[in-house]
Amino acid sequence: QVQLQESGPGLVKPSQTLSLTCTDSGGSMGSGSYYWSWIRQPAGKGLEWIGHIYTSGYASGSTKYNPSLKSRVTISVDTSKNQFSLNLSSVTAADTAVYYCARFPKGTYYGMDVWGQGTTVTVSS
Amino acid sequence: QSALTQTASVSGSPGQSITISCTGTSSDVGGNNYVSWYQQHPGKAPKLMIYDVTNRPSGVSNRFSGSKSGNTASLTISGLQAEDEADYYCSSYTSSSTQVFGGGTKLTVL
Repeated sequence: QVQLQESGPGLVKPSQTLSLTCTDSGGSMGSGSYYWSWIRQPAGKGLEWIGHIYTSGYASGSTKYNPSLKSRVTISVDTSKNQFSLNLSSVTAADTAVYYCARFPKGTYYGMDVWGQGTTVTVSS
Repeated sequence: QSALTQTASVSGSPGQSITISCTGTSSDVGGNNYVSWYQQHPGKAPKLMIYDVTNRPSGVSNRFSGSKSGNTASLTISGLQAEDEADYYCSSYTSSSTQVFGGGTKLTVL
């Protein structure tokens, strides 16, 4: 069964860079069959799409970002490790949230069918 | 891009039907059939309930159905059950190849 697992520091200082990794246990990251997304959710609030990346053997690392976060976000992928990563720079308390990774199929349907369990990141000094 | 608009809360009694709406623009909900719905119980990751406006993934009850008219998509839950109490989010793929979520709707089963 495909599983995604987020990992990374649970505490980040203000103005620093938040870095998270999502590992795909199903090994499908290099298949070219999926977009790989990051989504976050502040406590008691709704879901916010951060960005996604698409990669295949031919097109590596095509990204799209939420315009409101674009200047601070970088998503990258390492297919050899079945991982994709999120870097969010210049963080503030407003970036405190549960961060999820998820995937949706390319070219078949739109819906994020597999999600990680989420990881809580707190921005505090 | 602006978040899709959802009613903050809805409630119903067991056995009843409820509908949750999700309003966007011609650049997202109204511009394609790429709308999905997610159910989220407290402390859990979201679960895909509907994809491409009307389709249910394998394993999702047929009590859940989706539709769309213009810039507004809807999720209907029939025969409400206690376990349906959760937060529900819509999401759309946009004309800019980005994604956008709704603000979420809290469903209470009375």
